[in-house]
Amino acid sequence: GENVEQHPSTLSVQEGDSAVIKCTYSDSASNYFPWYKQELGKGPQLIIDIRSNVGEKKDQRIAVTLNKTAKHFSLHITETQPEDSAVYFCAASYTGGGNKLTFGTGTQLKVEL
Amino acid sequence: KAGVTQTPRYLIKTRGQQVTLSCSPISGHRSVSWYQQTPGQGLQFLFEYFSETQRNKGNFPGRFSGRQFSNSRSEMNVSTLELGDSALYLCASSRTAQAGFEQYFGPGTRLTVT
Repeated sequence: GENVEQHPSTLSVQEGDSAVIKCTYSDSASNYFPWYKQELGKGPQLIIDIRSNVGEKKDQRIAVTLNKTAKHFSLHITETQPEDSAVYFCAASYTGGGNKLTFGTGTQLKVEL
Repeated sequence: KAGVTQTPRYLIKTRGQQVTLSCSPISGHRSVSWYQQTPGQGLQFLFEYFSETQRNKGNFPGRFSGRQFSNSRSEMNVSTLELGDSALYLCASSRTAQAGFEQYFGPGTRLTVT
């Protein structure tokens, strides 16, 4: 089955700096890669996603890149703010697998003032 | 538009008991998936329902079951609770059962088994 690895497990940055979180997946059939942000006491919130026919997608301060050959994808957050502090999860799914998402282990991002 | 709602938000049960959790998807969404979140195992897929049919199942014992109603609301049941079932149970809804469509999560039900 699919396996998703996520690094780093914790990330501390200064406000205004950029943060990068990386994930690798094992199943070459995977073709949908969402990113979720989870704050304490809340459910995961979809923040951006990318499909395998696209190499990069941007939404304001957030961007995701996908390298199908290397089977890895990354989340980039620019100009970080304290409210970006949360746990971020990457995930993968594939056509034929329905809505089953395989998640990475999460990255605790802390943005310090 | 209202988001995914889950009830109850918190639950304390005793080992051996059974529990039923409820999930109401976003209006118009017909697919509901369930996940278990624990510090040790992370987020793990339990099962997915679409049009009242289970479409996909994760690697969990038969004590975990679910169903979906004609209005797309879903319930999951855990029988003969074990201490290890203590977790945050999350449901997610999507318009379809096809991969590649956005899934939105509810706030979860925190189950504690004592």
